[in-house]
Amino acid sequence: NAGVTQTPKFRILKIGQSMTLQCAQDMNHNYMYWYRQDPGMGLKLIYYSVGAGITDKGEVPNGYNVSRSTTEDFPLRLELAAPSQTSVYFCASSYPQGHISSGNTIYFGEGSWLTVV
Amino acid sequence: DQQVKQNSPSLSVQEGRISILNCDYTNSMFDYFLWYKKYPAEGPTFLISISSIKDKNEDGRFTVFLNKSAKHLSLHIVPSQPGDSAVYFCAASVEGGSQGNLIFGKGTKLSVKP
Repeated sequence: NAGVTQTPKFRILKIGQSMTLQCAQDMNHNYMYWYRQDPGMGLKLIYYSVGAGITDKGEVPNGYNVSRSTTEDFPLRLELAAPSQTSVYFCASSYPQGHISSGNTIYFGEGSWLTVV
Repeated sequence: DQQVKQNSPSLSVQEGRISILNCDYTNSMFDYFLWYKKYPAEGPTFLISISSIKDKNEDGRFTVFLNKSAKHLSLHIVPSQPGDSAVYFCAASVEGGSQGNLIFGKGTKLSVKP
């Protein structure tokens, strides 16, 4: 069981470039999320999705776009990359219920390290 | 303004002793709290959680205590092992709020020395 898979693991972008971070999960989770973690900081929610075709903004959505055409995939698009987007990005998923309750936790991917220069 | 605070960036403990990691929160609407453990170059993994209707939850060597009146929770690891060395994140959620919108603290790096 692969869980949550993110690609690429590492990427260096130039200012103004665009790219897509890929995320796939094989646990049949309806809920998927993108977080970013800046150095010395906690994780902050960028976007989330409660099911195919449905997405919503999190705490820090500016500069990003997402889509959810299938249950398995939740790509994160960076348009016009800026140095402020240098961060570690984590994709995650959770059980269909979505609510954080006993036994229903979020499963994270291994992270994607992005540097914008 | 940080809603979930982990004021100790790092903690060093001798193997076999107790590790106590602390977390404070400001939002009284939080009703579910989680601890995640993160090794370098890996994603966070769920460790233990507690609902606001409880004041203690135990899972093996890990125990989480919740003091609602003080808006404080702590994670106890007894006995500490070198493999426990990692960054520990405290997170909080409102059950009826945005799905999965966990609010994370900045983390505490635990080092367990042999």
